[in-house]
Amino acid sequence: EDQVTQSPEALRLQEGESSSLNCSYTVSGLRGLFWYRQDPGKGPEFLFTLYSAGEEKEKERLKATLTKKESFLHITAPKPEDSATYLCAVQAGDDKIIFGKGTRLHILP
Amino acid sequence: GAVVSQHPSRVICKSGTSVKIECRSLDFQATTMFWYRQFPKKSLMLMATSNEGSKATYEQGVEKDKFLINHASLTLSTLTVTSAHPEDSSFYICSANVQLIAKNIQYFGAGTRLSVL
Repeated sequence: EDQVTQSPEALRLQEGESSSLNCSYTVSGLRGLFWYRQDPGKGPEFLFTLYSAGEEKEKERLKATLTKKESFLHITAPKPEDSATYLCAVQAGDDKIIFGKGTRLHILP
Repeated sequence: GAVVSQHPSRVICKSGTSVKIECRSLDFQATTMFWYRQFPKKSLMLMATSNEGSKATYEQGVEKDKFLINHASLTLSTLTVTSAHPEDSSFYICSANVQLIAKNIQYFGAGTRLSVL
């Protein structure tokens, strides 16, 4: 069964304390893995798409990496404005999109 | 099991016809639902935010007369693609937002593949 699991469910960090969010997946024919940021009451904001193992993408304090089984979203020296829920989603070969439940990140000033 | 049901999963229609896509929240009430569109090799693009009992909020560049959204109940939102044309062919996905104490959880449908001939 196709599945996406994100961990941890919630994470509290001090400002400047770097960490990583995990997205583990099992899917038939991965077409793409997406990371989103979501603020309360709003739709997800697209961050990255990764297509193949070994691929990495960066944006400001965020860096996403991909292996054949999981993706990591690394956040370096986070700031309070980075507080949000981070969603991971994978698209399978049949176009079906499977989302993880997200990691709620809270950065303390 | 699925908590958001989206129907149909695939639809093929002729140019000029209208197509309705349903998004239902199962076992919970969703005051807010979101509609997305995905182009090949691209990520999801938010089209509109659907609020129960009020007008939908459309993202910039999305034609509200083209993509009609109705959120008539707390468990159902519909997206109608009116007078569909081949350029409307895409993958549409909905999501339902539920707010619990200290949590804001969003559940997504499996998507609808629309092909306009």
